[in-house]
Amino acid sequence: DAKTTQPNSMESNEEEPVHLPCNHSTISGTDYIHWYRQLPSQGPEYVIHGLTSNVNNRMASLAIAEDRKSSTLILHRATLRDAAVYYCILRVRGSARQLTFGSGTQLTVLP
Amino acid sequence: EPEVTQTPSHQVTQMGQEVILRCVPISNHLYFYWYRQILGQKVEFLVSFYNNEISEKSEIFDDQFSVERPDGSNFTLKIRSTKLEDSAMYFCASSEGEGVRETQYFGPGTRLLVL
Repeated sequence: DAKTTQPNSMESNEEEPVHLPCNHSTISGTDYIHWYRQLPSQGPEYVIHGLTSNVNNRMASLAIAEDRKSSTLILHRATLRDAAVYYCILRVRGSARQLTFGSGTQLTVLP
Repeated sequence: EPEVTQTPSHQVTQMGQEVILRCVPISNHLYFYWYRQILGQKVEFLVSFYNNEISEKSEIFDDQFSVERPDGSNFTLKIRSTKLEDSAMYFCASSEGEGVRETQYFGPGTRLLVL
């Protein structure tokens, strides 16, 4: 799977939007962009994924650059419960293969 | 909402002992996975299982490890002779299938401590 690069940490104020960036300059045409998060002392949790178009779900939005070399996970109103490590992971389309976790971005939400 | 469950939540064992970690995946899922996370480190893939056989495994998953789906609901990870470095959080995950159904759902984990 192609490599992703994320900032080690970010901070946000509660109830404000958060934009979590991810660079994936070596992405291939068959790679989906997946985001998972891991809350403290819990297992990873799926957040969202996309291929080319921006995606929205009840948890977040995913904005994908036109050249697909970067993407941004958007939490529209951060809550204290959103404090977690966020992982950006590329996966080949149609693959039920392993997830390869990097170090992710530690998001701190300030009250 | 269906969820992956794991037992026990904590396990303490002596070095050299065998341990079995148990998981109940989501009932209609077909793909099963084990991951581990050593304290302060990344989540690492161990093995995936489909159609009653291993489909992928990492270098970590050596002869000391085995997986089994003994019945229609449980998925187990056995470590035959535990080492100190096996101390970690072990996560089970399952997914429905491929393509749009490939999202993996993780359990809460089993914290294994080898003394």
